[in-house]
Amino acid sequence: AQSVSQHNHHVILSEAASLELGCNYSYGGTVNLFWYVQYPGQHLQLLLKYFSGDPLVKGIKGFEAEFIKSKFSFNLRKPSVQWSDTAEYFCAVKDTDKLIFGTGTRLQVFP
Amino acid sequence: DAEITQSPRHKITETGRQVTLACHQTWNHNNMFWYRQDLGHGLRLIHYSYGVQDTNKGEVSDGYSVSRSNTEDLPLTLESAASSQTSVYFCASSGQANEQFFGPGTRLTVL
Repeated sequence: AQSVSQHNHHVILSEAASLELGCNYSYGGTVNLFWYVQYPGQHLQLLLKYFSGDPLVKGIKGFEAEFIKSKFSFNLRKPSVQWSDTAEYFCAVKDTDKLIFGTGTRLQVFP
Repeated sequence: DAEITQSPRHKITETGRQVTLACHQTWNHNNMFWYRQDLGHGLRLIHYSYGVQDTNKGEVSDGYSVSRSNTEDLPLTLESAASSQTSVYFCASSGQANEQFFGPGTRLTVL
C-alpha cells in the first residue's frame, strides 16, 4: 500500500519568507496527490491536487506544488508566506479510493 | 450549498460507554470516510464506505463500527469507549473526482 512521508514536522518562518514543505510517497505508477491545509480550529480544506499533466500545480492562496516522478516527491511551495498561512499542512496520496495522509507539518509564521 | 455536518461537535463520555458520532453529507457522494486526528499521527483512517450497505475497515478500526443505510449518513460507533479513543474525529466524503471534503470535526474526550 502507498505511504506518505512529510519530513518537516514543524516549520517556523517570518512573514515574506519563502516556504517549501517536503512530501514523498512510497511507490510509483499512476498517482493522485493532494495537499490539504487545516487552519487552527478548522477542518481540512484542499489546497491543490495533481492527477496528470503539467507537473507544476497551482492552488489557492498562492500555493503551488511540483510533482517530480523520479524523486517520488510532491513538495509544496509558496514564494512569500503571510501570518495567515499559519496552519497545519497535510500531503496525501490516493490509494484505490482512499487517501493516505502524511503526519502533517505545522507551519508558524511570525509577523 | 452542499456540505458535511458532524454532531456533536464536542462530547465528553466515560470509559465503557457506547458513543455514536453522526456524519451527514448533502454532496450525494458514494464514498464516505472516518478519520481520527492525533498529534504526531496526522489523520488515520478508521472505516470507510463506498456506498449503501458497504463498509470497510481502515488502519485503526479496532473498537469502532460503522453502518451505511443511506447515501447521506455514516455514523461512527465506539462500542465501549476507551481513554485511547480520546481524539478529534473527522468525517469526509468524495465523489468520482476523489477530492475529499471534510466535516468540521468532533472532539471526543473519554474520561
